[in-house]
Amino acid sequence: DVVMTQSPLSLAVTLGQPASISCTSSQSLVAGDGKTHLTWFQQRPGQSPRRLIYENSDRDSGVPDRFSVSGSGTDFTLKISRVEAEDVGIYYCMQATYWPRTFGQGTKVEIK
Amino acid sequence: EVQLVESGGGLVQPGGSLRLSCAASGFTFSSYYMNWIRQTPREGLEWVAHIKHDGSEKFYVDSVKGRFTVSRDNAKNSLFLQMNSLRVEDTAVYYCVRDPIDLWGQGTLVTVSS
Repeated sequence: DVVMTQSPLSLAVTLGQPASISCTSSQSLVAGDGKTHLTWFQQRPGQSPRRLIYENSDRDSGVPDRFSVSGSGTDFTLKISRVEAEDVGIYYCMQATYWPRTFGQGTKVEIK
Repeated sequence: EVQLVESGGGLVQPGGSLRLSCAASGFTFSSYYMNWIRQTPREGLEWVAHIKHDGSEKFYVDSVKGRFTVSRDNAKNSLFLQMNSLRVEDTAVYYCVRDPIDLWGQGTLVTVSS
């Protein structure tokens, strides 16, 4: 199975400051169709996960543009340009290039 | 409203069985592939099973193969997960999730314990 490794596992950020979460896969996530099936999720406290970004670049409807992604192949980064209080939660990356789909361990984002 | 609502979770002894259900509404259920994904505090998120829109193809994570069966009833907009030979390590919140993992239910807790 493809192993997804996130770092850091925990992040304390001052409001208005940027935050970065790294996600590394054990194999390249470029599929035969040329697409990179890398997805990011946000899970706020007490809620189900919510998809933020899919196909490594496309933001879901309603996701603020302060969320962006970079990277390719095996190394990816989710960036929050200016953290707001509503961004508190756990962030997960997931690959859908290979079966089974696999998730990173999650990165907990808190306000400092 | 577009939503998924799971039911059927509960406490079961090791070796027992449980059947989870998921009711879909607000979208054309029969057009979508569907998934079951589970979450534990220790292991995080784990994809469990996937079923094609017409039920003709199914995929499972290795740890549940031969014990869990995913099925659907498109006429009733429903997804199911039959879980047999349950183990303590199957304890988790189980989510019904629409493909491409863009819509999640609220989850149902399954506890396997003696």
